[in-house]
Amino acid sequence: NAGVTQTPKFRILKIGQSMTLQCTQDMNHNYMYWYRQDPGMGLKLIYYSVGAGITDKGEVPNGYNVSRSTTEDFPLRLELAAPSQTSVYFCASSWDRGTIGNTIYFGEGSWLTVV
Amino acid sequence: DQQVKQNSPSLSVQEGRISILNCDYTNSMFDYFLWYKKYPAEGPTFLISISSIKDKNEDGRFTVFLNKSAKHLSLHIVPSQPGDSAVYFCAASANPGGYNKLIFGAGTRLAVHP
Repeated sequence: NAGVTQTPKFRILKIGQSMTLQCTQDMNHNYMYWYRQDPGMGLKLIYYSVGAGITDKGEVPNGYNVSRSTTEDFPLRLELAAPSQTSVYFCASSWDRGTIGNTIYFGEGSWLTVV
Repeated sequence: DQQVKQNSPSLSVQEGRISILNCDYTNSMFDYFLWYKKYPAEGPTFLISISSIKDKNEDGRFTVFLNKSAKHLSLHIVPSQPGDSAVYFCAASANPGGYNKLIFGAGTRLAVHP
């Protein structure tokens, strides 16, 4: 009963380093998302994907890249880490953008600190 | 410019009493609203939703009320239980199920004490 799995759970990066946050889901969902949550703020959408091979920018995409080569995986890449990217990152997925009742499922989060 | 606002960062309620969490929005195009619950070190989980064609939706102890004219929604939990202690996020979408346009509030931390 895995659902949405993200790794790593915690990471400390130095300014300028790069890293990839991994996300995989086993529910055969078409839609996948990456959100970030800064302290005292709501979740903000970074990137999303409506299916394998298709990605699009969300509200705060600068400094990030994504790819969606399979239905299951949606990695988030930070190329040149900056202190402003210190945040909690949530991967999520849903079956469709559909109608009421189409629940979006979240992973447990990845805590990233850039120093 | 926050389109979805949860003005109370925290709320403390006695077990058995009613918890009322509030959410205000500014975008009149929002027509679908959701509440998510989040425990520490876990991702948010869907709790309850409401469409703009309704003014109330009930699911067990949880009821969401929508006042479109005031651009206000609230989540009522009756009776409150210690397991309800969590952060509650209000979210809104301009298209039903249009999750690429889901806008979240900052959250309200609910503490239910004996």
